[in-house]
Amino acid sequence: GQQVMQIPQYQHVQEGEDFTTYCNSSTTLSNIQWYKQRPGGHPVFLIQLVKSGEVKKQKRLTFQFGEAKKNSSLHITATQTTDVGTYFCARKTNFGNEKLTFGTGTRLTIIP
Amino acid sequence: NAGVTQTPKFRVLKTGQSMTLLCAQDMNHEYMYWYRQDPGMGLRLIHYSVGEGTTAKGEVPDGYNVSRLKKQNFLLGLESAAPSQTSVYFCASSYSIEAFFGQGTRLTVV
Repeated sequence: GQQVMQIPQYQHVQEGEDFTTYCNSSTTLSNIQWYKQRPGGHPVFLIQLVKSGEVKKQKRLTFQFGEAKKNSSLHITATQTTDVGTYFCARKTNFGNEKLTFGTGTRLTIIP
Repeated sequence: NAGVTQTPKFRVLKTGQSMTLLCAQDMNHEYMYWYRQDPGMGLRLIHYSVGEGTTAKGEVPDGYNVSRLKKQNFLLGLESAAPSQTSVYFCASSYSIEAFFGQGTRLTVV
C-alpha cells in the first residue's frame, strides 16, 4: 500500500480562500516532491524539498518539509480558478534505486 | 522534443485479450516508470526501470509485465486483461529529480 498518506482527499474552497494539503509518512523521507495534475491532464512537477525544515515559495504556493522529515505541506494563498486540479506529494528513493511513489492526492475545486 | 509519448491514447479490450502499451522518451533519461490511476487511489507504481535492460516491481505489479530493451522505450504488457485493469495508465521518465509524464492511456476492459 501507499507509504505516504495525503489529506484531505477532497477540498472545495471559495475563490480567494486559502488551501492546504498535507503529506505524512511513517518513515523518514530523504526528499519530498510535489506535482499538480489539471483535470484531464497529466502530473506536472512543481518542486522537491530535501532539507529538514525547508520552506520554498513559488508565487502563491508555499511548500514545507517537516523538521523530522516525515511530513510536508503545500499551502496556496488566495486561490484562483487556475489552481483547480489534484495535488500529489511523492517520495523518491535514491542511491541507484530511484523508485518514485505517490501519495493519494488532494483534489481541489474552486467555487467562483 | 516530444518529451514522453504514450501509445495508444485509448483502447477497449475484451477480458482475456492481451496488449502492449508503449512509452517512448527522447530526453535520454535513465529512469522510467509505469503508473495506473484510479479514482481515490492516486498514482500507483506498477513497474519501473533504472536503466536499459533492467526492470523492477512497484506497488501493484501483478498481471503486468514490462521490458526495457532500448533506453528510450519502456513497454507495459497485459497478457490476459481483466476488468480490474480498467484504468488510466501513465508513463514517466526522469534523469535525476523531476519526472516527466506522458499524456496517459485510457484502457477499458469489458
